Amino acid sequence: GQQLNQSPQSMFIQEGEDVSMNCTSSSIFNTWLWYKQDPGEGPVLLIALYKAGELTSNGRLTAQFGITRKDSFLNISASIPSDVGIYFCAGYAGNNRKLIWGLGTSLAVNP
Amino acid sequence: DTEVTQTPKHLVMGMTNKKSLKCEQHMGHRAMYWYKQKAKKPPELMFVYSYEKLSINESVPSRFSPECPNSSLLNLHLHALQPEDSALYLCASSQRDRDSYEQYFGPGTRLTVT
Repeated sequence: GQQLNQSPQSMFIQEGEDVSMNCTSSSIFNTWLWYKQDPGEGPVLLIALYKAGELTSNGRLTAQFGITRKDSFLNISASIPSDVGIYFCAGYAGNNRKLIWGLGTSLAVNP
Repeated sequence: DTEVTQTPKHLVMGMTNKKSLKCEQHMGHRAMYWYKQKAKKPPELMFVYSYEKLSINESVPSRFSPECPNSSLLNLHLHALQPEDSALYLCASSQRDRDSYEQYFGPGTRLTVT
């Protein structure tokens, strides 16, 4: 099925560094969702975006809905060890009632 | 409260067993979902229930049988599974099954088929 291009695939950073990841699509999206998943747990919704150009923050996390409606990015500022996990972007495109997922960005933080 | 609960947390079953996974939400959501997730991959949609009716079946084998007894509960009945069915099974819910609604996930059931 259709998937989003999510990059980078993995990141290894030092505690305190800022992180940036993004998702791109060839289709126009109506909604972008960013999830974080810890090993053996379900994905947890971090941020939801509904309008092109929208910039939304949740604590140290900031996400934006791209102006072209074909991309979104997630920034994490001042990373801490508990930020470790896999971050997935997901969204709804057109009239599709199913969430389309990126392949995930695996984040490791060195204390 | 955005909690979706799932039981059991872990399940080991043989290929001839019959078992069920359970999911519950009390957020008043009218859409509920079953996903299957393999390690380091995104969740794969299996079924969608909208207003307690099955609205999407992603060509899932009949050894997986979903059931929605009421608007808060979702079950997945398992029978004659194969070892390749071992995965994390996730339940999710949203207000409606439309693109303006966020999906909230439960913690998952780790299923091992022996």
